Amino acid sequence: QLQLQESGPGLVKPSETLSLTCTVSGGSISSSSYYWGWIRQPPGKGLEWIGSIYYSGSTYYNPSLKSRVTISVDTSKNQFSLKLSSVTAADTAVYYCARQPWDYADFDYWGQGTLVTVSS
Amino acid sequence: EIVLTQSPGTLSLSPGERATLSCRASQSVSSSYLAWYQQKPGQAPRLLIYGASSRATGIPDRFSGSGSGTDFTLTISRLEPEDFAVYYCQQYGSSRWTFGQGTKLEIK
Repeated sequence: QLQLQESGPGLVKPSETLSLTCTVSGGSISSSSYYWGWIRQPPGKGLEWIGSIYYSGSTYYNPSLKSRVTISVDTSKNQFSLKLSSVTAADTAVYYCARQPWDYADFDYWGQGTLVTVSS
Repeated sequence: EIVLTQSPGTLSLSPGERATLSCRASQSVSSSYLAWYQQKPGQAPRLLIYGASSRATGIPDRFSGSGSGTDFTLTISRLEPEDFAVYYCQQYGSSRWTFGQGTKLEIK
């Protein structure tokens, strides 16, 4: 059974960089059949796609966040990571990682999510 | 960027009733790339429908998806108590993924 688990600090100061890692178990992140993505959800609000990465390292970012986002993959650890720079209170959200089959481009497996609060 | 608009914002129904949720796109969306999710409080979203009309693994057959082009529908034929939740549609196009703003299905 595929599982994804987000990890990283739950509190980040304004202007600093948010860093999260998603560890994939029960399957290989190197499969050519999937993208791997990050999605966030501010408290009480809807879902926002942040970006996605293919195992080869090709990345796709939400244009509204592109200047601040970096997503990378470490196939040796079966992990992929998110960095979001220059954070503000508006970046406070539950951050999810998810698997995305390339053929239908949905999000079929999700991590449980991790709340990141931006506050001094 | 393709914008997805879901309606209604809130739908109040009773168990046993039929629910019809709408997702309208600002531009045509490939049916292969339209999905629906269910989210309950404190939980991650769960994939219900992919490719506009295919049920994901383990999803009961009371959930069905339909539509094409710019208009898509999620139908729940007979509501069970566990179906009251928030539902999101999602599309992929031009290397971008977007979600609708959600429809809250509440008990009447």
